[in-house]
Amino acid sequence: RKEVEQDPGPFNVPEGATVAFNCTYSNSASQSFFWYRQDCRKEPKLLMSVYSSGNEDGRFTAQLNRASQYISLLIRDSKLSDSATYLCVVNMGPSGTYKYIFGTGTRLKVLA
Amino acid sequence: DAGVIQSPRHEVTEMGQEVTLRCKPISGHDYLFWYRQTMMRGLELLIYFNNNVPIDDSGMPEDRFSAKMPNASFSTLKIQPSEPRDSAVYFCASSLSQGGEQYFGPGTRLTVT
Repeated sequence: RKEVEQDPGPFNVPEGATVAFNCTYSNSASQSFFWYRQDCRKEPKLLMSVYSSGNEDGRFTAQLNRASQYISLLIRDSKLSDSATYLCVVNMGPSGTYKYIFGTGTRLKVLA
Repeated sequence: DAGVIQSPRHEVTEMGQEVTLRCKPISGHDYLFWYRQTMMRGLELLIYFNNNVPIDDSGMPEDRFSAKMPNASFSTLKIQPSEPRDSAVYFCASSLSQGGEQYFGPGTRLTVT
């Protein structure tokens, strides 16, 4: 089993749709979680951190489910500019250390 | 700030040659990371430094790979000798604090023929 798994997609959705991605992780002791966005042939950029209580940033909502060991990203009212690959990131290092494991990403295409 | 700077942006070399990739982190950032990205394996952490000291190099694939950080504003990743399977995009990232946002450079696209 991979340490961090994502559905590669692509998810093709029309503008204005709501879309959700999940990401599962193998280490139940993992402490921090993130979603990064990567545009084609560009570097990854932080989209949002994922907090235990869940968090929202505009049209984006991130959730953590520790019992089932997955995190999710919900995008509401999707825009053409949301088309990108979304990378799930889990810090699997022991407390106080880094061992950032990236998922291979989920590709989103928002269609006009 | 200029962000994380990497050079070269593209490198094409022949198998067996030495390759050196360079990175300048964001000024004031204490952590520096080297990643490799391929279609098959995604983004993999190779090594990271804290205050110029290597902390975890368990992701370095083999002895052909080495990384240094002689000062707070410069790091290198060297591959000697290079092999075709090393072809990938190599990213450098830096962060201000442990657990903080990582800022990635534009990457170096390496092709080994």
